[in-house]
Amino acid sequence: GENVEQHPSTLSVQEGDSAVIKCTYSDSASNYFPWYKQELGKRPQLIIDIRSNVGEKKDQRIAVTLNKTAKHFSLHITETQPEDSAVYFCAANSGSARQLTFGSGTQLTVLP
Amino acid sequence: EAQVTQNPRYLITVTGKKLTVTCSQNMNHEYMSWYRQDPGLGLRQIYYSMNVEVTDKGDVPEGYKVSRKEKRNFPLILESPSPNQTSLYFCASSLLGLAGYEQYFGPGTRLTVT
Repeated sequence: GENVEQHPSTLSVQEGDSAVIKCTYSDSASNYFPWYKQELGKRPQLIIDIRSNVGEKKDQRIAVTLNKTAKHFSLHITETQPEDSAVYFCAANSGSARQLTFGSGTQLTVLP
Repeated sequence: EAQVTQNPRYLITVTGKKLTVTCSQNMNHEYMSWYRQDPGLGLRQIYYSMNVEVTDKGDVPEGYKVSRKEKRNFPLILESPSPNQTSLYFCASSLLGLAGYEQYFGPGTRLTVT
């Protein structure tokens, strides 16, 4: 099955700096890569996603890049703000598109 | 309001006492799924369903059962809970599977098995 590894497990940045979280996946047939943000005590919420036919996608301060050859994808958050502090999860679907495998999460702390 | 609901939100039970966690969505979604979340392990998929009467195992199905008799409901059943099933459980749904369709998560159910 799919295996998704996520790094780093914790990340602290100064307000206004950029944050980068990286994930690798194992199943070359995976074609959908979502990123979720989970605030303390709340449910995961989709913040951005990318399909395998696209190399990069941006939404305001958030961007995701995908390298299919190397089987890795990254989340980039620019101009970080304290409200960006949360746990971020990457995920990849299986080749059948019926299962979703998550990374282990990154605790992002934005220091004021 | 479009949403996924779960009940109960919190449950403390004893080993071996059968329990059911309900999940319901009002968005006419075909795909529904159950995850458990444990510290350091992220979310792991337990079971999923592509449509009514169609269910399949995820990565960690042992000790769990599901049913999908109606499109809107997808209950998670623990026939004989054990302490290692103490976890935070999330139900989720999406329109047509995971090939680019957003998954909406329920609020979560925190289960403690003593």
